[in-house]
Amino acid sequence: EVQLAESGGGLVKPGGSLRLSCTVSGFTFSTFSFNWVRQAPGKGLEWVSSISGSGTYINYADSVKGRFTMSRDNAKNSLYLQMNSLRAEDTAVYYCARDYGTGWHEPFDYWGQGTLVTVSS
Amino acid sequence: DIQMTQSPSTLSASVGDRVTVTCRASQSISSWLAWYQQKPGKAPKLLIYQGSRLETGVPSRFSGSGSGTEFTLTISSLQPDDFATYYCQQYSNYPYTFGQGTNLGI
Repeated sequence: EVQLAESGGGLVKPGGSLRLSCTVSGFTFSTFSFNWVRQAPGKGLEWVSSISGSGTYINYADSVKGRFTMSRDNAKNSLYLQMNSLRAEDTAVYYCARDYGTGWHEPFDYWGQGTLVTVSS
Repeated sequence: DIQMTQSPSTLSASVGDRVTVTCRASQSISSWLAWYQQKPGKAPKLLIYQGSRLETGVPSRFSGSGSGTEFTLTISSLQPDDFATYYCQQYSNYPYTFGQGTNLGI
């Protein structure tokens, strides 16, 4: 069974840092690209970042570029999102999501349950 | 960036109704368009990908159509479990972008 589980969310002050993790099981982790998607309270979905299977190719939304770093450890079947210089507008539930296939254009087929990040003083 | 515009933002319907949600892209995305369903407190669920391909396990009352800049999601006969929020997403170009969502209620 495919499972994705996020952890690491919590309350952090503006300007602070937080590292999210996503642990994956049920398939060959290194084959797939992954994504982080966030959802502010009561708002819609916002794509944050994507990483290729090897970790070579990483893309970011402009809203987080230079502040967030996505990485993966294929030996540990884990993804990470290092979030620095956090702002109130980063408050959201953060989901990790798997690419459907291994091609260049893929939707997201499996999602974690999400972890809440709250940025507030 | 490619802007995705969904309409309507809110839709009221009844069990058995046929409903259609529209998604427009600000530039051509070929058929790289997905539809997701989200219920409160839950992660989104993939329904349709590549514009019209039904994800495994999704009921056949859901269908998608379109290419280029205009796409539709149709539910042929609403069931109680279908009341949720629906999002379109383009995965043609980074940054991937979602529509603002359509809240389908009773």
